[in-house]
Amino acid sequence: DIQMTQSPSSLSASVGDRVTITCRASQDIDNYLAWFQQKPGKAPKSLIYAASSLQSGVPSKFSGSGSGTDFTLTISNLQPEDFATYYCQQYYSHPLTFGPGTKVDIK
Amino acid sequence: QVQLQESGPGLVKPSQTLSLTCTVSGDSISSGAYYWTWIRQPPGKGLEWIGYIYYTGFTYYNPSLQSRLTISVDTSKKLFSLRLTSVTAADTAVYYCARAWDYDNNGYYSFDSWGRGTLVTVSS
Repeated sequence: DIQMTQSPSSLSASVGDRVTITCRASQDIDNYLAWFQQKPGKAPKSLIYAASSLQSGVPSKFSGSGSGTDFTLTISNLQPEDFATYYCQQYYSHPLTFGPGTKVDIK
Repeated sequence: QVQLQESGPGLVKPSQTLSLTCTVSGDSISSGAYYWTWIRQPPGKGLEWIGYIYYTGFTYYNPSLQSRLTISVDTSKKLFSLRLTSVTAADTAVYYCARAWDYDNNGYYSFDSWGRGTLVTVSS
């Protein structure tokens, strides 16, 4: 199985900040990496696929980069609605696996 | 726009079988571009991929659940189903159905739409 790790596990930020979350795969997954946002009590929302492509309707304040084993999600101009937990996920090979999540909360 | 809706019992006794259904609306379940997926999330924990099914009935399962798991599809009713046998408290989770999309027609599928989820508690 491909193991996904994320750092940090949590971070505190202020409205207007730019934050970056890192995701690492235990082996090369090319660019088969997705990012999801989850708010408490809600279903995950798909943000990014293919490491850097925005899902339809997702604002451009979200951006992704990386290839191989190291990936990043950047959120610009953090707004109150962006405070949530973010997960990465590889779909390069089965079983599909998720990172443990990064919780972004208000400083 | 596709919508997915999970349904099924919210409480299952230990050793019994957990059965859920996901109804798909707003798009064709028979499109070759999608795999129809089950994912779960234990309370306060992360996400676990359970498995998915193509409209033809072809499946991929998580090996950690494979011996207890069946995913099936009914294209005429536009739904797919999950059946997990011999459940324990460790199977208590919010269960999500989702659509996995082959965005480049290259055989790699990324989740793009999710249901709202349904909590299943395993308890006597």
